Amino acid sequence: GENVEQHPSTLSVQEGDSAVIKCTYSDSASNYFPWYKQELGKRPQLIIDIRSNVGEKKDQRIAVTLNKTAKHFSLHITETQPEDSAVYFCAAPMDTGRRALTFGSGTRLQVQP
Amino acid sequence: KAGVTQTPRYLIKTRGQQVTLSCSPISGHRSVSWYQQTPGQGLQFLFEYFSETQRNKGNFPGRFSGRQFSNSRSEMNVSTLELGDSALYLCASSGRGDGYTFGSGTRLTVV
Repeated sequence: GENVEQHPSTLSVQEGDSAVIKCTYSDSASNYFPWYKQELGKRPQLIIDIRSNVGEKKDQRIAVTLNKTAKHFSLHITETQPEDSAVYFCAAPMDTGRRALTFGSGTRLQVQP
Repeated sequence: KAGVTQTPRYLIKTRGQQVTLSCSPISGHRSVSWYQQTPGQGLQFLFEYFSETQRNKGNFPGRFSGRQFSNSRSEMNVSTLELGDSALYLCASSGRGDGYTFGSGTRLTVV
């Protein structure tokens, strides 16, 4: 099965700076990599995802990059705002062809105003 | 469309009791997965159901069980509750081509 490692566990940035969170995965056959944002007391919400046939995907201030050779993918948040403060989780399919996801351990992002 | 609905939102149970949690997926979604979330352990996978069949099971003891009905609604059951079972239990559903959408969760407290 897939194993996902996520770093760093905590990240503090100043408002307006960029934030980068990195994840590595173990199964070279994995083909789908979502990122979830969980605000305090709320459910995890999908913010962006990438499939293995592309190397980068952007959505406004958020981007995800994928390096299949190195088996890692990263979340990039530019021009951070206080409302970006949350826990972010990366994920990958638990097994090839399955929908169930295995999650990274999470990164607590704090954006200082 | 309506989101993933989990009931109840909060539960307080006594050690040794059993509990059943319910999850109604987004209409048309046939895949339902359950996760346990605790502060120190992140999101731990419990099980995945698709068309009433369990396709994956995580590393939890046999006290944790689940099922899925023909309308894709799912239930999970925990028997002989222990203090360590206190957690937020999240259900997520997925349809063809969609990512996972999580419900708001059931917060279980075992006393």
